[in-house]
Amino acid sequence: RKEVEQDPGPFNVPEGATVAFNCTYSNSASQSFFWYRQDCRKEPKLLMSVYSSGNEDGRFTAQLNRASQYISLLIRDSKLSDSATYLCVVNRNDMRFGAGTRLTVKP
Amino acid sequence: DTGVSQNPRHKITKRGQNVTFRCDPISEHNRLYWYRQTLGQGPEFLTYFQNEAQLEKSRLLSDRFSAERPKGSFSTLEIQRTEQGDSAMYLCASSNTGLARNEQFFGPGTRLTVL
Repeated sequence: RKEVEQDPGPFNVPEGATVAFNCTYSNSASQSFFWYRQDCRKEPKLLMSVYSSGNEDGRFTAQLNRASQYISLLIRDSKLSDSATYLCVVNRNDMRFGAGTRLTVKP
Repeated sequence: DTGVSQNPRHKITKRGQNVTFRCDPISEHNRLYWYRQTLGQGPEFLTYFQNEAQLEKSRLLSDRFSAERPKGSFSTLEIQRTEQGDSAMYLCASSNTGLARNEQFFGPGTRLTVL
């Protein structure tokens, strides 16, 4: 079993749709959590950190459930520019990445 | 540009040759990480340094792989006797442990193709 598992995707949604990604992690000692975004043939870039109380950044909302070892990302009113691969990341001293979920937003 | 830089951006080599990649982290960052990414997968952790000390190495890092960060600034990753399975994107990232969340910032990567 991989340490970080994500929805395999791909997700193909129309502009304006709401889409949710899920992620589970296996190591309960994990300390911090992130969502990264990776465009095709580019490096990953931090989208947002994930806090225990949940947090929102514009159209993006991240949730963490430590008891269930579950992380989610909700994108509201999706834009064409949101098309990318979204990587769930779990941090101890190093970062463990999920395989990513590919999102395509279509006009 | 004050971001993470990597050189070369692309490397094509023949099987059995040695290759070396360089990473220059963000200047005030004390941690430096190496990852490998293949198509359709997320980055896989290889190793990381805190200053010049190599603190952790993945089991993925075979004896043919070695990494150094001699002065606690730039780092090199060397692959000896390359194999076709080494073909991948090699990503470097850096972070500052003095910051609360220890977020990592990635370089553009070095794409290795082993023929």
